[in-house]
Amino acid sequence: SQQGEEDPQALSIQEGENATMNCSYKTSINNLQWYRQNSGRGLVHLILIRSNEREKHSGRLRVTLDTSKKSSSLLITASRAADTASYFCATADNYGQNFVFGPGTRLSVLP
Amino acid sequence: SAVISQKPSRDICQRGTSLTIQCQVDSQVTMMFWYRQQPGQSLTLIATANQGSEATYESGFVIDKFPISRPNLTFSTLTVSNMSPEDSSIYLCSVGGGRLDTEAFFGQGTRLTVV
Repeated sequence: SQQGEEDPQALSIQEGENATMNCSYKTSINNLQWYRQNSGRGLVHLILIRSNEREKHSGRLRVTLDTSKKSSSLLITASRAADTASYFCATADNYGQNFVFGPGTRLSVLP
Repeated sequence: SAVISQKPSRDICQRGTSLTIQCQVDSQVTMMFWYRQQPGQSLTLIATANQGSEATYESGFVIDKFPISRPNLTFSTLTVSNMSPEDSSIYLCSVGGGRLDTEAFFGQGTRLTVV
């Protein structure tokens, strides 16, 4: 299985602080994606980073990818209470045959 | 992008009964995906639904338990059959995703509780 694994499982921070979540995977990938899920509802795509990319930004989000370590990190800067959610990484292998989600990180941003 | 309408949003069902979940996409798509998310867990792919052919099931999931229909390129249903409390989960349909090197779009999910 090339399932991504996130750490920490849960993270609690104060509004305005930065939140960093990490994802590790086991095999070669085509791309890695991050998703947010609010209160057990549908997932919302945040950002996609391809295997030949090392860093991407989108608003307050910064994603890095280290293929040598088979890991990625998601940084949310200046967090807000509305960022409270579960965050999942998902990986697609080189053949596009598998799209696998990690266990997720539950982020709580306290006002 | 794609907008997916999924219903019901939640249901409470008696064990031994079946529930059919519907997903409608606002555009034609070749593949639709069904996921299960058990309480506090991540998403696990149940099956891939292609129009005009039988669904492809992942290991651990069988057609008798989770029959899927895909009558056209914008619609699919998943039935959870002969339910037991262990089937209590969130079920999500999706289009796109890593298989196509694109982002995935999800329905809002169906929160199923079996009593």
